[in-house]
Amino acid sequence: AQSVTQLGSHVSVSEGALVLLRCNYSSSVPPYLFWYVQYPNQGLQLLLKYTTGATLVKGINGFEAEFKKSETSFHLTKPSAHMSDAAEYFCAVRHGSSNTGKLIFGQGTTLQVKP
Amino acid sequence: DGGITQSPKYLFRKEGQNVTLSCEQNLNHDAMYWYRQDPGQGLRLIYYSQIVNDFQKGDIAEGYSVSREKKESFPLTVTSAQKNPTAFYLCASSSGTSGGPGDTQYFGPGTRLTVL
Repeated sequence: AQSVTQLGSHVSVSEGALVLLRCNYSSSVPPYLFWYVQYPNQGLQLLLKYTTGATLVKGINGFEAEFKKSETSFHLTKPSAHMSDAAEYFCAVRHGSSNTGKLIFGQGTTLQVKP
Repeated sequence: DGGITQSPKYLFRKEGQNVTLSCEQNLNHDAMYWYRQDPGQGLRLIYYSQIVNDFQKGDIAEGYSVSREKKESFPLTVTSAQKNPTAFYLCASSSGTSGGPGDTQYFGPGTRLTVL
């Protein structure tokens, strides 16, 4: 069965510091991987996704993530945090050979950015 | 302006009442999904539909019902059988039923349901 683990339910960084949000997955076949961001009382917005090809994926708002098959990881990074990055972030996995778009979500990581 | 709309944004219900949450999309997407979000638990799939007049149970379907009579609409009914319905409900849609690389889910703004 597929699963997603996000290490750290809360991460706090200073403005301008590196952001690193960790995501590990389990899947018996090549997965499709996603990062979404959620601001308070809003829906989820797609940040970036990995399906095939280049393992370093760039997304919106300066975020990027690298698919590492050997480590079963898809960590999200941003070189310099901005106050507006404070939100909840969700990693999700979809079975690469599934004929549906069903996603399995991690439990989320709340990012706090301190001035 | 294309997107997914959910209404109402906030909903209050008395115990024992059924309530229906609306989800509409004008993206011409075939697939639609309903998720429930509780603090610290991520998103859990309630129901999904890959095509009109067809839908499947997700991981937590008990106490919920759906219909898919039109491509653009996928309403969710929270019945009185749902033991703990207070939560944030999110609707999503995706373009295809093939599950291919382009089949990405996009989300509506959500409905917060509170049972009094």
